[in-house]
Amino acid sequence: DVKVTQSSRYLVKRTGEKVFLECVQDMDHENMFWYRQDPGLGLRLIYFSYDVKMKEKGDIPEGYSVSREKKERFSLILESASTNQTSMYLCASSFRSWGNTEAFFGQGTRLTVV
Amino acid sequence: GQQVMQIPQYQHVQEGEDFTTYCNSSTTLSNIQWYKQRPGGHPVFLIQLVKSGEVKKQKRLTFQFGEAKKNSSLHITATQTTDVGTYFCAGPGGGATNKLIFGTGTLLAVQP
Repeated sequence: DVKVTQSSRYLVKRTGEKVFLECVQDMDHENMFWYRQDPGLGLRLIYFSYDVKMKEKGDIPEGYSVSREKKERFSLILESASTNQTSMYLCASSFRSWGNTEAFFGQGTRLTVV
Repeated sequence: GQQVMQIPQYQHVQEGEDFTTYCNSSTTLSNIQWYKQRPGGHPVFLIQLVKSGEVKKQKRLTFQFGEAKKNSSLHITATQTTDVGTYFCAGPGGGATNKLIFGTGTLLAVQP
């Protein structure tokens, strides 16, 4: 059974804290993604990684950074959390190919910044 | 950057009625995917369309890819309460990588 696991389901952090969201996949996927989901805005891509140590900015990278030191793990870092980063964060992974392939999602992390 | 819009944002139907959601991209897409997210859950892949004008069916669900490959639709015939959720389309984000850009989603509510 394929799996994408996010380290926390719910997280509450204070403004200004450095926050780490972890994501691990066991499918040997090359591609990994971080999205945030807000009502009415759909899923917005924050960062994408297509290989170890390789990354691309998505549509809303400001205030975030990422780390991919191992193929199975993709971390999202909020350098200094702010209240406007309160959201649902979803990690996903997929195989690399010439066309897109099915993306598998984690269960999501609901982050509240107070 | 590329934008993928969906309409409507929300649809409420009586059980047994049909439902359609439309997806429009600002750029031509090489392929388009559809996902369903149940309330409280995460998006789950439904299907991928690749060819211009392609139509695919999954039981009561019919997926279409436009001739110009800039739009797509999902039609559900005779909705059931199990169809409740948010439906997203997604397309490639351009370039040589598999970046995946999602639409804004359509939330479907089905009244028994």
